[in-house]
Amino acid sequence: GENVEQHPSTLSVQEGDSAVIKCTYSDSASNYFPWYKQELGKRPQLIIDIRSNVGEKKDQRIAVTLNKTAKHFSLHITETQPEDSAVYFCAPQTGTASKLTFGTGTRLQVTL
Amino acid sequence: DSGVTQTPKHLITATGQRVTLRCSPRSGDLSVYWYQQSLDQGLQFLIQYYNGEERAKGNILERFSAQQFPDLHSELNLSSLELGDSALYFCASSVGSSGRAEQFFGPGTRLTVL
Repeated sequence: GENVEQHPSTLSVQEGDSAVIKCTYSDSASNYFPWYKQELGKRPQLIIDIRSNVGEKKDQRIAVTLNKTAKHFSLHITETQPEDSAVYFCAPQTGTASKLTFGTGTRLQVTL
Repeated sequence: DSGVTQTPKHLITATGQRVTLRCSPRSGDLSVYWYQQSLDQGLQFLIQYYNGEERAKGNILERFSAQQFPDLHSELNLSSLELGDSALYFCASSVGSSGRAEQFFGPGTRLTVL
C-alpha cells in the first residue's frame, strides 16, 4: 500500500510568516494530491488539491507544489494568521482508487 | 456545514458491546466512505460503498461491517468492542466512485469504549 510521510510533525510560526509542510509518498501511480485542514474536534476539510499533470496551484494565501519525480508535494501558506492554526493532512490518491491515504499530520501553531 | 450528517455525535459503551453508527451523504453523492481517527493510528480508511455496493476495503477489522441502503445512507456496525476501538469515526461522501474527487466529511461520531 501507499506509504505517506509528512514533515514536520509540528510547526510553530509567528503571525505573518510563511509555513511549508512536505508530504512524501511511495506509489508512483499516485495522481491526485489533496491537502486537508482539521481544526480541533472538527471534521477534515479540503483546502487545496492538485492533479498530476500540474506542477503548482495557488489559491490566495495557499499553494501546493508537486514534484512527481521525487514523489513529494508541499503545502505553502503565506502571511499566516491565527485561524490557520490546525492540523494539516496530505492524502495522496492512486489511480481510480478513491480511498484517501492520510499522512501523519502536521500541527501548525500560529502565534501572535 | 458539509451536508454530510452523522449520528450519534457521541457514544459511550462497554467492552464486548455492539454499536451502529449512521451516516447520510450529501444530496446527490453516491459514494460513502468510513474513516477511523485515533491518536495512535491517525486517520485510516475503513471501507467505501458506491450506490449500495462495496467498492473498496481498507484496514477494517472483521468485527466491523458496513452497508449502504437504497436511500444511500450508510451504517457502520462495530461489534465485540474493545478499548482500542475508542476513536472518532468519520463518514465522507463524494459524487463518483473513482478517485480525484473531493470527499466531504461529516462531523464524526466519537466512540468511547469503557
